[in-house]
Amino acid sequence: DAGVTQSPTHLIKTRGQQVTLRCSPKSGHDTVSWYQQALGQGPQFIFQYYEEEERQRGNFPDRFSGHQFPNYSSELNVNALLLGDSALYLCASSLTGAGGYTFGSGTRLTVV
Amino acid sequence: QQQVKQSPQSLIVQKGGISIINCAYENTAFDYFPWYQQFPGKGPALLIAIRPDVSEKKEGRFTISFNKSAKQFSLHIMDSQPGDSATYFCAASDAGGTSYGKLTFGQGTILTVHP
Repeated sequence: DAGVTQSPTHLIKTRGQQVTLRCSPKSGHDTVSWYQQALGQGPQFIFQYYEEEERQRGNFPDRFSGHQFPNYSSELNVNALLLGDSALYLCASSLTGAGGYTFGSGTRLTVV
Repeated sequence: QQQVKQSPQSLIVQKGGISIINCAYENTAFDYFPWYQQFPGKGPALLIAIRPDVSEKKEGRFTISFNKSAKQFSLHIMDSQPGDSATYFCAASDAGGTSYGKLTFGQGTILTVHP
């Protein structure tokens, strides 16, 4: 049973560029949440997607956007990258009403 | 209001010892308190969780103690093993642990268990 799959695992981008990160949820899960984890810090909630709509959003600027597809997979897009966007981006999936989040191993984004 | 404060930042214990990590919160709407373990290069993995209607929960060598009036909770790792060396995060959610609830994480504790 595959867990949460994220791609790519590592990425290097230049300031001002745009990036797209991808997440396939655990089989049977219908909700995807995205978190940003800066080095040495705890994960920070970015947003959550359910039924292809953004259900909740954390304190992140509009440069951060997302999408959920009919197969429950999700993308995180970040525009106009800043050096401070360098972090580990984690995807967590869950099943509505059932609780319990399963995290992927993350995408390490470095902005130079 | 949404913060979860975790201490200590780092912890070194000997094999067989007890590791204790503490967290405090302010938001009384929080009703689900999980602990996560994270190894380098991996995402956080759920270790154990508690709801505020109980004061203690034990699963194997891991125990959560919860003090609702003090708005504090802690993780105790008994008989600590070198394989427990990892970063531990406490977290809190205000949606009963359902998929509706965003997790607010503490800053993390780096645990090192010496053989």
